[in-house]
Amino acid sequence: ETGVTQSPTHLIKTRGQQVTLRCSSQSGHNTVSWYQQALGQGPQFIFQYYREEENGRGNFPPRFSGLQFPNYSSELNVNALELDDSALYLCASSLKINEKLFFGSGTQLSVL
Amino acid sequence: DQQVKQNSPSLSVQEGRISILNCDYTNSMFDYFLWYKKYPAEGPTFLISISSIKDKNEDGRFTVFLNKSAKHLSLHIVPSQPGDSAVYFCAARKITSGTYKYIFGTGTRLKVLA
Repeated sequence: ETGVTQSPTHLIKTRGQQVTLRCSSQSGHNTVSWYQQALGQGPQFIFQYYREEENGRGNFPPRFSGLQFPNYSSELNVNALELDDSALYLCASSLKINEKLFFGSGTQLSVL
Repeated sequence: DQQVKQNSPSLSVQEGRISILNCDYTNSMFDYFLWYKKYPAEGPTFLISISSIKDKNEDGRFTVFLNKSAKHLSLHIVPSQPGDSAVYFCAARKITSGTYKYIFGTGTRLKVLA
């Protein structure tokens, strides 16, 4: 059974640029959630995708957007990067919409 | 508004002794609570969970206790092992407009000393 995989593992961008992070969900999981973990903080909910539709969003601006594909993989896009966007971005999948999360190892994004 | 709080940033325990990690929450609408463990350069891994209708759940060396009246959750690890050294996050689930959201605490770094 393949777990949640994320790419890339590390990324360096400059302020104002755009970035796309990718996630492959665990086999059989139809729900994908994205979390941002800033240094010294717990993961914060960005949004969730279920059957290719956004199914809920946290307190993040519209420049954070996402997609889920028919194979349940997902992308997180962030436009107009700001310095405060520097964080670990975690993707998590779940077997069903109400079940526990299985996390990938994350993408460490640094915005300079 | 920090709805889930872990007030101890770090904890050191001797190998073989009990580790107790604490978590407080403010929202009575949380229906499910989980503990995750995180090693450096890895994502959080699920450890144990408890429904809001229960007060205890046990899985091997790990036991989670829920005190709803105090809005308090704790994780007991007995006996503690050096491999348990990691950051532990508690998380609470709530349903908002049909979405299941997990709110995480800021984590407690556990160090088990050999």
